[in-house]
Amino acid sequence: QVQLVQSGAEVKKPGASVKVSCKASGYTFTTYAIHWVRQAPGQSLEWMGWINAGNGNTKYSQKFQGRVTITRDTSASTAYLELSSLRSEDTAVYYCTTLAVTGDYWGQGSLVTVS
Amino acid sequence: SYELTQPSSVSVSPGQTARITCSGDVLARKYARWFQQKPGQAPVLVIYKDSERPSGIPERISGSSSGTTVTLTISGAQVEDEADYYCYSAADNTEGVFGGGTKLTVL
Repeated sequence: QVQLVQSGAEVKKPGASVKVSCKASGYTFTTYAIHWVRQAPGQSLEWMGWINAGNGNTKYSQKFQGRVTITRDTSASTAYLELSSLRSEDTAVYYCTTLAVTGDYWGQGSLVTVS
Repeated sequence: SYELTQPSSVSVSPGQTARITCSGDVLARKYARWFQQKPGQAPVLVIYKDSERPSGIPERISGSSSGTTVTLTISGAQVEDEADYYCYSAADNTEGVFGGGTKLTVL
């Protein structure tokens, strides 16, 4: 079955960077794009960006442009989200998801705490 | 940037019909999806292409669209439908946007 398994919780200082991984299994990795969505405590979902797992093309939300980098390693079937210049408002659960109508799958979420 | 606007909360009694709206200019030209999220869980897709239901989603959950507004309807709402609901659309150049979310209370 399709699974997206994310890396564990992280605690970071303001100004630092964090890199979250998302390992896919149960399907051909290049079939689906990988999107990253975050959710601050008690807040709504927020779309951050996505990567075409096949060719590596990316698109980022204007809000995070310049601070976010999404990459992938096809040999490891893994996508990565890196967020830099962290501030307290970046404390959130970060999800990877295929966000595809033909197959909507989500990771379990990775809590990033900035403090 | 694009925005999708939802009511912050909707409340119904069990067995009643719940309607949750989502408005935004982008919805006039792009499909919407709806996600259900229960506490501590990842979101689950319940509607795509405005009104299509993925397999496994109960028939009492439906979607519709008119102009710049899409509506999620839960007919005969049950206690287990109590959750946060988010609309989503992919705006121009494939940039995605979520609505602010609606807390559905069934009691």
